[in-house]
Parts: sequence; structure tokens; C-alpha cells
Amino acid sequence: SQQGEEDPQALSIQEGENATMNCSYKTSINNLQWYRQNSGRGLVHLILIRSNEREKHSGRLRVTLDTSKKSSSLLITASRAADTASYFCATDMAGGGADGLTFGKGTHLIIQP
Amino acid sequence: GAGVSQSPRYKVAKRGQDVALRCDPISGHVSLFWYQQALGQGPEFLTYFQNEAQLDKSGLPSDRFFAERPEGSVSTLKIQRTQQEDSAVYLCASSSTWKGAEAFFGQGTRLTVV
Repeated sequence: SQQGEEDPQALSIQEGENATMNCSYKTSINNLQWYRQNSGRGLVHLILIRSNEREKHSGRLRVTLDTSKKSSSLLITASRAADTASYFCATDMAGGGADGLTFGKGTHLIIQP
Repeated sequence: GAGVSQSPRYKVAKRGQDVALRCDPISGHVSLFWYQQALGQGPEFLTYFQNEAQLDKSGLPSDRFFAERPEGSVSTLKIQRTQQEDSAVYLCASSSTWKGAEAFFGQGTRLTVV
């Protein structure tokens, strides 16, 4: 079963604009990670935020985490055509959950040139 | 190698055939995972190894699925008597330390059962 739920399912914006996608999850976590998947390629890790962190930056990426609302957001600033991909949030569940990451269904982001 | 390598990249199997999918993790990585990704969905966890020990196989969908990592490096995911619902991309990932750390994924094996 998939714990994460990304929102929106699809997003199309103009190059240079900012893109925001959201993720909600159901159970307590150790950390939350965001991954990118280009068509025909594997998943690439973007950023990891621990449960005791509220915000993290990496280049043009900004991630927030609100454990009280069980939600996270990924902001990509100054988008580029190369950012076109599917973006997934993945949680490392706390407690006795499965040992692997639990992924959402993803947000498909299209950057229009 | 520089990254996680999976083979074959594509596999077409007739229903009822057995298949074996191979994963070469990043050298020295302790943790190894297998995931199944259906079209338009996120990856779903299948099984986890720490070195050669299979610590979690709770995600394997049936007893037709079997995974091993006998020497703590290369891993094989075997599917016996394949069914059409097994058609998916099978992803392998490894991480250097603990199970919740950043995972490095291979490009996957796309299995089509006809």
C-alpha cells in the first residue's frame, strides 16, 4: 500500500516559474525524502528531511515538513525544461513499519519552454 | 561500478515461465532493496537485505517471489510461474548505511508477461 499522496497529480508551468508540489502521509516517520524520475530513467534522490527538521534547502529546491499535519512540500524555483519529470515523496516509517521506503503516486511536472 | 546496475533492462516472459532479475549494488553498500513499480504508480517495497541477511520480505506479493543476496553484494529477484499481473518495472536500490538513508536506484528491469 502507498502511504504518501502527492498533490497535484499533474502540473504544467512555464519555464522560469516556480513549481510547488505537496505530499501527505499517514503514520509517524523517521524522515521524508523526495525523488525525481525522468521518463525511462531510474529514481534520483533529491533531498532528505528528518522528522525533527522543518525546512531544508538544496540549490533551487526547498522542502518543508510539518509533522503535526503529516505533510511536506517541495518547491522548485526558477524552473527549467530539464526539471520535467515525475516527483515522488517517500517516507521512512517509524516504529514497526516495513524496512523500505513508502512512496506516493507522484506528481508529473511539465515545464513548458 | 559507479551506480546500481540491473540486468536485463527488458524481459518478456510467457505466462508460467520463471524469470531471474539481477542487481549489482554500489560496492560496499550494506543495504539493498527491491521495489515493484506499476505503470503510473510509485514504487512499492518488496524486500530488504542488510548484507546477506534478508531482514524484511513483507512486501513480496506471493510465494512465487523469492530474493537472495548470498554474499552480501549481488542480489537476484526470482519470480516463478509468472502471471500477467507481475508485469511491472522492478527497481533495485542500495544505500551505504542504515535502511532509511538516501537510496541509490538502478534503472530497473521492465518485465512484460504475455
